[in-house]
Amino acid sequence: DQQVKQNSPSLSVQEGRISILNCDYTNSMFDYFLWYKKYPAEGPTFLISISSIKDKNEDGRFTVFLNKSAKHLSLHIVPSQPGDSAVYFCAASAQGQTGANNLFFGTGTRLTVIP
Amino acid sequence: DSGVTQTPKHLITATGQRVTLRCSPRSGDLSVYWYQQSLDQGLQFLIQYYNGEERAKGNILERFSAQQFPDLHSELNLSSLELGDSALYFCASSVRDNNQPQHFGDGTRLSIL
Repeated sequence: DQQVKQNSPSLSVQEGRISILNCDYTNSMFDYFLWYKKYPAEGPTFLISISSIKDKNEDGRFTVFLNKSAKHLSLHIVPSQPGDSAVYFCAASAQGQTGANNLFFGTGTRLTVIP
Repeated sequence: DSGVTQTPKHLITATGQRVTLRCSPRSGDLSVYWYQQSLDQGLQFLIQYYNGEERAKGNILERFSAQQFPDLHSELNLSSLELGDSALYFCASSVRDNNQPQHFGDGTRLSIL
């Protein structure tokens, strides 16, 4: 049972434009959400996170939005750069409910930024 | 560089064998996590240790075991290996075990022949 879903396997965006990556989840106990970027032959690299008490968190070109009622979060990258081309994973945990910090991952979205 | 070190990078072995994967967490991190990424699946949580003690278990097979040592490095032991165990095994670490980002190593690719 996939509790975190990324329904778009791939996304192509022109350099300089906005990239929007989406993620849906089913477990209402999730209270911490993260985005990771992954290049081939490397481990996932942490990008940005958000707690369920917030609806937005910003770090430079990256902004994560959380809509708890819709069980949806998104990652905005503005402006997109060719170096952003990678696979992006959404992840969530239910630490406040379970006491465990293990992450549930989506299946990833491959972002290609076209120069 | 995440600061998490995994060895070996690649491991090729045969069915029925036993292997040990090693992970050194980032300096100062007390919590270590193991994840498995199979070809047709996303990252799946296996087990978490915090300061030497098991904290959480995911869908880890009974043939698999792990431990975290006093110096905080961790080992994942896989025994009676089957073809389906071929996967990427990632280790991650975080400072504590509450809501903090986990930082991943580059993984160990295990191939069972």
